[in-house]
Amino acid sequence: AQSVAQPEDQVNVAEGNPLTVKCTYSVSGNPYLFWYVQYPNRGLQFLLKYITGDNLVKGSYGFEAEFNKSQTSFHLKKPSALVSDSALYFCAALTGTASKLTFGTGTRLQVTL
Amino acid sequence: DAGVIQSPRHEVTEMGQEVTLRCKPISGHDYLFWYRQTMMRGLELLIYFNNNVPIDDSGMPEDRFSAKMPNASFSTLKIQPSEPRDSAVYFCASSFGEEAPLHFGNGTRLTVT
Repeated sequence: AQSVAQPEDQVNVAEGNPLTVKCTYSVSGNPYLFWYVQYPNRGLQFLLKYITGDNLVKGSYGFEAEFNKSQTSFHLKKPSALVSDSALYFCAALTGTASKLTFGTGTRLQVTL
Repeated sequence: DAGVIQSPRHEVTEMGQEVTLRCKPISGHDYLFWYRQTMMRGLELLIYFNNNVPIDDSGMPEDRFSAKMPNASFSTLKIQPSEPRDSAVYFCASSFGEEAPLHFGNGTRLTVT
């Protein structure tokens, strides 16, 4: 069975500092991995995805994620955090055998001045 | 495109009443998903459709829940009778293709008293 783990319920970072939101996955086969962001009272918005190829994936709003097969991780990163990045972030995995995404439990990112 | 449109945005009803949630996917998308989000259980996939055909409804919690997609531009999720434990935010999402990113609506916040 597929599973996605986001070990941190909340991540706090000061504006201007780099941020990392962690994600590990357990899927059979080659994974398709996604990051989504959710702002208050809104639906999830797609940030970036990894299908194949380069292990460093660049996405929207300056975010990037690094796929690490040996550690089965797909951590979300940004070199310099903004207060406006404060939101709930979800990692998700999909395998070729199923069309449905498995989501992690979400990590709340709080960026302060 | 206006994105995925859900209605109503908020629904407050009494236990035992029928509730119908509506969704208009993005034109041209061939997959439609219904999710439920709660603090306790996070994001749960209830059911998804491909080309208007239900593919997997294993996430539908009980027979009280039903979903239909009569055409490519409209889907409903019905709860009859509703119970307080059904209180949650219900999201509809659509995508073009199996591995494509999901586009979420802004959700319907359901409160059953």
